[in-house]
Amino acid sequence: ETGVTQTPRHLVMGMTNKKSLKCEQHLGHNAMYWYKQSAKKPLELMFVYSLEERVENNSVPSRFSPECPNSSHLFLHLHTLQPEDSALYLCASSQTGTSGISYNEQFFGPGTRLTVL
Amino acid sequence: GENVEQHPSTLSVQEGDSAVIKCTYSDSASNYFPWYKQELGKRPQLIIDIRSNVGEKKDQRIAVTLNKTAKHFSLHITETQPEDSAVYFCAAIAYSSASKIIFGSGTRLSIRP
Repeated sequence: ETGVTQTPRHLVMGMTNKKSLKCEQHLGHNAMYWYKQSAKKPLELMFVYSLEERVENNSVPSRFSPECPNSSHLFLHLHTLQPEDSALYLCASSQTGTSGISYNEQFFGPGTRLTVL
Repeated sequence: GENVEQHPSTLSVQEGDSAVIKCTYSDSASNYFPWYKQELGKRPQLIIDIRSNVGEKKDQRIAVTLNKTAKHFSLHITETQPEDSAVYFCAAIAYSSASKIIFGSGTRLSIRP
């Protein structure tokens, strides 16, 4: 499959569960992102991994833990979540910062719809 | 902190009329301004973008204008059609940093038949 893929597409979990979201990009990009999309709120950038930098958003609770083993794969590990964490989690990738050619169009995955009971 | 304000939050226009959505940003390092369209249940997709060295860009019925001095940019959709109904997001991004990405809160556009 081309572009950005995410699994699972839907996830229901209890507050005591541990689960992981997976994202894979097939675009040769060097940056990957996790966003949270809740109703009536802007897209919230949670984490960024790129060749240039790794950014951890200090406002994101520690119950969300990202992992980026290589430039094509990104995980979001979830543990002891709260009902208010229910949202659509979007992964995105872009090409950024290097070789004098910089553009930052975000290519989004289809998202994982997370429900925390 | 840096932010992007987007207005209006909802917009309803008659089919065939024009729609305008406006965004204002605060980070002077921003130099790339994309617009994304998100249909119900689907992922956001880029529809048009503009870079800071350009004042206006047009692609068929869609156009974007940028006023860098005033730090605002706008999306214009002419001859609206039912398939234009969606949520539209603006964003302000700095080329140089993967983390300087701020999205507006979105505009829900509805096209009345």
